[in-house]
Amino acid sequence: QVQLVQSGAEVKKPGASVKVSCKASGYTFTSYVIHWVRQAPGQRLEWMGWMNAGKGNTKYSQKFQGRVTITRDTSASTAYMELSSLRSEDTAIYYCARVAGDLAPFDYWGQGTLVTVSS
Amino acid sequence: DIVMTQSPDSLAVSLGERATINCKSSQSVLYSSNNKNYLAWYQQKPGQPPKLLIYWASTRESGVPDRFSGSGSGTDFTLTISSLQAEDVAVYYCQQYYTTLYTFGQGTKLEIK
Repeated sequence: QVQLVQSGAEVKKPGASVKVSCKASGYTFTSYVIHWVRQAPGQRLEWMGWMNAGKGNTKYSQKFQGRVTITRDTSASTAYMELSSLRSEDTAIYYCARVAGDLAPFDYWGQGTLVTVSS
Repeated sequence: DIVMTQSPDSLAVSLGERATINCKSSQSVLYSSNNKNYLAWYQQKPGQPPKLLIYWASTRESGVPDRFSGSGSGTDFTLTISSLQAEDVAVYYCQQYYTTLYTFGQGTKLEIK
């Protein structure tokens, strides 16, 4: 069965970077697009960006442009999201999600990774 | 970016009654070339990731109970739960995937009256 399993919770200091992983199984990793979405406490879902796992091309939300980098390791069927220059407002649960194509809904989600930014 | 606005922000409905959630997009999400609305609905329960309920505005995802239905076209959409069950308590989000800059509504919290 399709699964997206994310790395564990992180605590970071302001100004640091965090890298969250998303390991895919149960399907052909390179045939889908991986998106990253975050949810701050009590807030709406916020789309961050995507990466075509086959081609490796990416697109980022203007809000995170310059701070977010999405990469992948096809041999490990794993996608990564790195967010730099962290600030307290980046405290949130970060989710990866799978999409079948360029314009399609998110049919499977990871379990989420809590990133806490605190001095 | 396309802005998605849901109404109401919260809703309390009695068990067995109908629940209706609205979603409005700042521009049409209907592609004229294929006559499809690029609009999805998700359900999120506490401590869980969102779950896809409806896509193409009205197509139910496999395994989703048929009490959930989606309707609408262009800029105005509705999610209807025909007979509310206790397990439907959750936050519901609409999302557009008309452009590669995906956006979500602010969410509607559904509770039991």
